[in-house]
Amino acid sequence: NAGVTQTPKFQVLKTGQSMTLQCAQDMNHNSMYWYRQDPGMGLRLIYYSASEGTTDKGEVPNGYNVSRLNKREFSLRLESAAPSQTSVYFCASSVTSFRLTDTQYFGPGTRLTVL
Amino acid sequence: TQLLEQSPQFLSIQEGENLTVYCNSSSVFSSLQWYRQEPGEGPVLLVTVVTGGEVKKLKRLTFQFGDARKDSSLHITAAQPGDTGLYLCAGDRTGNQFYFGTGTSLTVIP
Repeated sequence: NAGVTQTPKFQVLKTGQSMTLQCAQDMNHNSMYWYRQDPGMGLRLIYYSASEGTTDKGEVPNGYNVSRLNKREFSLRLESAAPSQTSVYFCASSVTSFRLTDTQYFGPGTRLTVL
Repeated sequence: TQLLEQSPQFLSIQEGENLTVYCNSSSVFSSLQWYRQEPGEGPVLLVTVVTGGEVKKLKRLTFQFGDARKDSSLHITAAQPGDTGLYLCAGDRTGNQFYFGTGTSLTVIP
């Protein structure tokens, strides 16, 4: 099994450009998440989807939008990229949402640089 | 201000030494997890602790959840180069969001 896959692995954008980060999981999980990781700040939750058809804001949602396309796929869109969005983005999935008895499985990440 | 503060931020030790990483907060957590992340990869879950005062052992790694459920520690005995990585704690406060710690970057020198 591939687990959680993310595309692209690397991306460079200019300020104001838009892009979509793709995430897919093959574990039949109900919940999916998008995090960003910045040095010295750990991971911060951007958006999550507790189940297919639902999405909710996390800790740092400003400047981002998400789409839960189906049970497998959860995309993150930057409509107008800013240098402050330079970060490493991780997608994760779990059987249910925010119960720490469930394991979150993370993808390999997308390293985004906004110039 | 981060909800979960980890210390130290960086740690470089010789193979065979022991070490402890701390995860502290002023808030109470329902449960807490520890992850290890290797360069270029996503975090991987090591353990979940759910009871105040709980101690869990995973080979050379010992995890403890504080009695007051505000802090946790990770102790590694006889560190090996394969232990090198970023260690992250994560806590669940209200059941609707995980909060990750600031991370501890460990390097074990052969």
